[in-house]
Order: sequence, then structure tokens, then C-alpha cells
Amino acid sequence: GQNIDQPTEMTATEGAIVQINCTYQTSGFNGLFWYQQHAGEAPTFLSYNVLDGLEEKGRFSSFLSRSKGYSYLLLKELQMKDSASYLCAVRDSNYQLIWGAGTKLIIKP
Amino acid sequence: NAGVTQTPKFRVLKTGQSMTLLCAQDMNHEYMYWYRQDPGMGLRLIHYSVGEGTTAKGEVPDGYNVSRLKKQNFLLGLESAAPSQTSVYFCASSYQVEGGQPQHFGDGTRLSIL
Repeated sequence: GQNIDQPTEMTATEGAIVQINCTYQTSGFNGLFWYQQHAGEAPTFLSYNVLDGLEEKGRFSSFLSRSKGYSYLLLKELQMKDSASYLCAVRDSNYQLIWGAGTKLIIKP
Repeated sequence: NAGVTQTPKFRVLKTGQSMTLLCAQDMNHEYMYWYRQDPGMGLRLIHYSVGEGTTAKGEVPDGYNVSRLKKQNFLLGLESAAPSQTSVYFCASSYQVEGGQPQHFGDGTRLSIL
């Protein structure tokens, strides 16, 4: 079967750095997406990786290792508004997105 | 920019009732999707469409039907609602399924079946 694993919940301090990991086992790989979802709202796109390495977008960076089936999302200079769930999704061989259950990130002052 | 609009936002149904959820997008996207989101689980694909007049089954299609008569609209129907269909339903659309083009989501419909 196909599986995406992420930690259920993480806590970090305002101004700090946090890394959210995602491991996957899917039938094929055609890219990995990270989305942010605030409580009661729609998921919004953060980043996309298809080749190994680091993609940086302001305070957010995402890393991919296809050989290890592993990705992480790195959030720097954490702000209270970063409190949200972070969803990892892999596009499989059928070009469908397989979603992880999400990591709820709690930011404390 | 409206993006993806879902109606209604909330609904309570009794077991056995039927209803239709409407999704409209104004981005001229070919691909549209219906997902359900349940606590502790990832988004699960119910049905999807690769263009006007087409529909296909996703991971959890049982108990649902869809139609895409117009490119901008994608309807999700529940013919006989069951408590197991209590969930948050999200519609999404995308320009293509390759490359870095993301799916854009509506605000969701919170559906409770009593």
C-alpha cells in the first residue's frame, strides 16, 4: 500500500526554527508538495520538490531525498501565525496526490 | 480573485437524505477534485475530473456521485446520506497534473449526518 508518515504534533517557540519530517512509500514518485492548513480553513500551497535537494522560499525551505523516501519542511524565525497543520503530499505514478495526516505545529511565545 | 468556491459551507442532514455540494472555479482549470478530510487521516480523494464531461473514481468513491457538465463546476452528490459520510469536504482544482502546478482548494463544506 501507499503510506505517508508525519509526526502528529510538534511544539516550538516563537523566533526559533522547526523541522517537520515526512517519509513516504508510494507506487511511483512524481513530486512532493507541502501545504499549510490553519484550523477550519483550506490547505494552501507552500512548496514543491521533484529533484533531490533544498528549495528555499523566504522563511520556509523544503528538502527532498528520493532514495530515502524522505522530505522535511524547515520553518525559520517562527511567528505565532505559523501555528497550523502542515500537510505532506506525494504525487504517485497515476499523478494522484497521496496525503499524510498532517503535523499540527503549536507555537508558544 | 474568487478562486475555488464551495457551497454550502455547513449542512446537517438526516440519514437517508440526499444533497448536492457545489464547487465552482474561475481559474479555467481543467482538473477538479473532491476530497474528504477526517480527523487523524490524510485527505482522501473521492472523485476527480480531467475535463468538462469527464469523471473518474478516486480512493473512496462509494456512496457518492459527481458530474462535470461545465468546465467551471464540479458537483458532488450524496444519494442516501449515512453517518459515516460525516466529514469536511474539500474541492480543489489544478491547471495540470505535472510539474509544480499545485491544487487550489476551496474553503470546505462541513457536513454532519445524524
